[in-house]
Amino acid sequence: NAGVTQTPKFQVLKTGQSMTLQCAQDMNHNSMYWYRQDPGMGLRLIYYSASEGTTDKGEVPNGYNVSRLNKREFSLRLESAAPSQTSVYFCASSKGQGRTYEQYFGPGTRLTVT
Amino acid sequence: AQRVTQPEKLLSVFKGAPVELKCNYSYSGSPELFWYVQYSRQRLQLLLRHISRESIKGFTADLNKGETSFHLKKPFAQEEDSAMYYCALDYNTDKLIFGTGTRLQVFP
Repeated sequence: NAGVTQTPKFQVLKTGQSMTLQCAQDMNHNSMYWYRQDPGMGLRLIYYSASEGTTDKGEVPNGYNVSRLNKREFSLRLESAAPSQTSVYFCASSKGQGRTYEQYFGPGTRLTVT
Repeated sequence: AQRVTQPEKLLSVFKGAPVELKCNYSYSGSPELFWYVQYSRQRLQLLLRHISRESIKGFTADLNKGETSFHLKKPFAQEEDSAMYYCALDYNTDKLIFGTGTRLQVFP
């Protein structure tokens, strides 16, 4: 099992460009998440999806959109990238909604917006 | 508002020394707390969760509701424990808020 995979690993964008970060999991998990991590800060939740067909905002959703394409895939879209969105983005998944379920993380995507 | 604080950015110890990584939280409800770890060139992964009351790789963490703390402890550090450690709080049914992390360096 590959677990949680993310593409691309690295990306450089110019201000105003758009892009989609892809995430897939092969563990048959119900819940999926997108986080960003900035230097000196913890991971912050951007959006999450409790199940196929549902999405909800996290702490820092502004400037992002998400799509839960199916149970396996959860994409994050930046419609008009800004330098403030320079960050490392992590996708995660978990078995379900429950306060003790472990979250499994992808390797991350390092995004630079110039 | 909920918050997780890890006051130390870096903790350096020698092999065999005891380790305590501090975590304090602010949350009005019943807390569910976790420690996640990221070893060099590896993914972030769960180390332990308070509800399991388990010891993983020699690490333990006790929830102290009076002091609102969930410190991670190990009596004898090993070089392979060197990593970034993140404390996390589940504040709304599988939504996590993370602390800023503590880098543990264990010298031989």
